[in-house]
Amino acid sequence: NAGVMQNPRHLVRRRGQEARLRCSPMKGHSHVYWYRQLPEEGLKFMVYLQKENIIDESGMPKERFSAEFPKEGPSILRIQQVVRGDSAAYFCASSPAQRGSSGEQYFGPGTRLTVT
Amino acid sequence: GEDVEQSLFLSVREGDSSVINCTYTDSSSTYLYWYKQEPGAGLQLLTYIFSNMDMKQDQRLTVLLNKKDKHLSLRIADTQTGDSAIYFCAEWRDSNYQLIWGAGTKLIIKP
Repeated sequence: NAGVMQNPRHLVRRRGQEARLRCSPMKGHSHVYWYRQLPEEGLKFMVYLQKENIIDESGMPKERFSAEFPKEGPSILRIQQVVRGDSAAYFCASSPAQRGSSGEQYFGPGTRLTVT
Repeated sequence: GEDVEQSLFLSVREGDSSVINCTYTDSSSTYLYWYKQEPGAGLQLLTYIFSNMDMKQDQRLTVLLNKKDKHLSLRIADTQTGDSAIYFCAEWRDSNYQLIWGAGTKLIIKP
């Protein structure tokens, strides 16, 4: 049973380009979370999705960032017109249960985005 | 500052016990978690404790919870080089269904 998969593991983009980060949850999980981690900091919640629904995007910047989790295929975190401040590690986590029951989440290896 | 606070570094000798501390702010948090992050890797769920417990033991790991002081600790017995990692404390808030994270404690093992 494969764990949470993310790709690419490393992504380099020039300022102004678009970044697309993919996440495939664990088999049987239908809840996906995206987090951002800056160096020497903990994780900051960005968005929580279920299949075809955004449940909570309170941590997502209003501009340039979007996320989706289609009926088929991986969840995508999209960053348009990247800036240097977007450089970070982006982690995806999945959960088997309703979010309200507990915070047990399983993490992917992350995508390290570098904006040059 | 962070709502969940941890020391940034802890250095211990191989074979000794490591104690990583964490303080949190929301007394209504129901679950408290410890995650481990090895270099270049994602986060691995190590253990968790439910808020109505004050201790949980799992092999070399012991979690202690002082709910009155909102203090959580993770003790690793007989620390090995493979325990070198960053350890994150996280609290689960039912109020807004979010995991709130500390900045992580980097555990350094001295030979």
